[in-house]
Amino acid sequence: TQLLEQSPQFLSIQEGENLTVYCNSSSVFSSLQWYRQEPGEGPVLLVTVVTGGEVKKLKRLTFQFGDARKDSSLHITAAQPGDTGLYLCAGPHLFETGNTPLVFGKGTRLSVIA
Amino acid sequence: GAGVSQSPRYKVAKRGQDVALRCDPISGHVSLFWYQQALGQGPEFLTYFQNEAQLDKSGLPSDRFFAERPEGSVSTLKIQRTQQEDSAVYLCASSSAGTDYEQYFGPGTRLTVT
Repeated sequence: TQLLEQSPQFLSIQEGENLTVYCNSSSVFSSLQWYRQEPGEGPVLLVTVVTGGEVKKLKRLTFQFGDARKDSSLHITAAQPGDTGLYLCAGPHLFETGNTPLVFGKGTRLSVIA
Repeated sequence: GAGVSQSPRYKVAKRGQDVALRCDPISGHVSLFWYQQALGQGPEFLTYFQNEAQLDKSGLPSDRFFAERPEGSVSTLKIQRTQQEDSAVYLCASSSAGTDYEQYFGPGTRLTVT
């Protein structure tokens, strides 16, 4: 069974601080995605990382895919209250490609206090 | 609108009732996915369709759950004889051919079984 473990589960920080959240698995994934979900809404895709060692930046967010494609991290610089939400990592089921179901982690619930 | 829509947004059912949850995917999207998200958890895969064909229903928790997409567009998830453990948010996502893993989620239907 493919599992994605996310840590920490909860994170509460002050505006302006930096933070990193992690997504780990014992399985290799062909790619990993990061989503953000706000209350009452569905997850919204932030980024997809495909190549081992890949780093992608989205404004103040930096995503990294581990060399072995078993883990990923999300680093937020100078967090803002608008970053508050549930951050989910997800990967395609059974190392498949194409449009396949996703396996999700349990998420990291981030709260940024002004 | 151009996004995935789901109805109803909220549903309260007495234990033993049947419910039907509707998903309207983005027009032209070939693949459609159903996920279940329990409180404080990440989404878990239920079933998915490519056009009208149901390719995988391995995530459906019991034979009380049934999904269909008869014309390859709108999909309905039906739960018969609802139980308290069915209480969750049911998310629908769609994706188009050639956009690996980029699933667009609807806002979900929150089902509460009393």
